Amino acid sequence: TQLLEQSPQFLSIQEGENLTVYCNSSSVFSSLQWYRQEPGEGPVLLVTVVTGGEVKKLKRLTFQFGDARKDSSLHITAAQPGDTGLYLCAGAGGSQGNLIFGKGTKLSVKP
Amino acid sequence: EAGVAQSPRYKIIEKRQSVAFWCNPISGHATLYWYQQILGQGPKLLIQFQNNGVVDDSQLPKDRFSAERLKGVDSTLKIQPAKLEDSAVYLCASSLVFGGHYYEQYFGPGTRLTVT
Repeated sequence: TQLLEQSPQFLSIQEGENLTVYCNSSSVFSSLQWYRQEPGEGPVLLVTVVTGGEVKKLKRLTFQFGDARKDSSLHITAAQPGDTGLYLCAGAGGSQGNLIFGKGTKLSVKP
Repeated sequence: EAGVAQSPRYKIIEKRQSVAFWCNPISGHATLYWYQQILGQGPKLLIQFQNNGVVDDSQLPKDRFSAERLKGVDSTLKIQPAKLEDSAVYLCASSLVFGGHYYEQYFGPGTRLTVT
């Protein structure tokens, strides 16, 4: 069974701080996606990483896929209150590319 | 482009009652997914449709859950009878089918079910 472990589970920081969220597995994934989910809404895709070692930047967010395609990280620079939400990583596995989600990291950025 | 639509947004029922959720995917998306998201956890896939055929329902509790996607567009998910542990947000997602590594999924807002 493929599992994704996210850490930390909760994170509360002040505006302007930097943070990193981790997503780890013992399984290899063909790709890995990061989503952000706000209360009362469905997850919204932020990025997909496919190649081992790949780094993608989305404004203040930097995503990295591990060389072995078993882990990923999300780094946020100078966090803002608008970054508050649940961050989910999801790995694509199986013949149908079905997504397996981690439990998420709940981020709170205080002004 | 309209997103994935779901209704109702909220539902409260008593245990042993039945409930149904509706999903309308993005136009042209052949693949439709139903997920269950229990509070504090990530979404768990219940069933995947490709057009109107079931691709994966290995995690669907078939003794009480059923789903259909008639005509390969809208879909309904039913629970009968409901149990307390079914309290969760039920998310519908859709995607175009790619030939590559991954399928970008677009999620609806979800239906929050509370079973009392």
